[in-house]
Amino acid sequence: EVQLVESGGGLVQPGGSLRLSCAASGFTVSSNYMSWIRQAPGKGLEWISLIYSGGSTYYADSVKGRFTISRDNYKNTLYLQMNSLRPEDTAVYYCAREPALDYWGQGTLVNVSS
Amino acid sequence: DIQMTQSPSSLSASVGDRVTITCRASQTITNYLNWYQQKPGKAPTILIHTTFNLQSGVPSRFSGSGSGTDFTLTIRNLQPEDSATYYCQQSYTSPWTFGQGTRVEVK
Repeated sequence: EVQLVESGGGLVQPGGSLRLSCAASGFTVSSNYMSWIRQAPGKGLEWISLIYSGGSTYYADSVKGRFTISRDNYKNTLYLQMNSLRPEDTAVYYCAREPALDYWGQGTLVNVSS
Repeated sequence: DIQMTQSPSSLSASVGDRVTITCRASQTITNYLNWYQQKPGKAPTILIHTTFNLQSGVPSRFSGSGSGTDFTLTIRNLQPEDSATYYCQQSYTSPWTFGQGTRVEVK
């Protein structure tokens, strides 16, 4: 059974950093491409980053230069390193398997506030 | 970036009704259009990928159509459990982009 479990969210001050993890089971992260998507409170969905099986990465303009997507093939885990966090980054962050985002994690809440 | 525009933003319909949600892309996305359902407090789940392909386990009352820039999600024989917000998403070119969502209320 395919499962994705995010962790690492929490309260952080503006300018701070967090690293989100997405532990996968039932499939191999390195053989698929994977995305991070976020949803601000009461708002719609925003795609923010993608990593292809070959390792190429892509980012939304809103996070480019601040966020880094990566994976650990041995741990079968996807990561999102978030630096220089802003209040507008407050959201539930989801990881999802591609193509077509066919499996999603339960989400982890990131709250950027002083 | 490709802009995705959904309409309507919300609708209310009765059990058994047929409901149609449209999604328009700002440029052609061929058939790289996916539909998701999200219930309050839950992660989205995929309903349809690449325009008309029903995801395994999704009821057949859901269907998708379209090509190029104009797409449609149809729900036939609307059920109470279909109350949710529906999003379209293009996966034609990065950055992936979502529509703003359509909230469906089942009366």
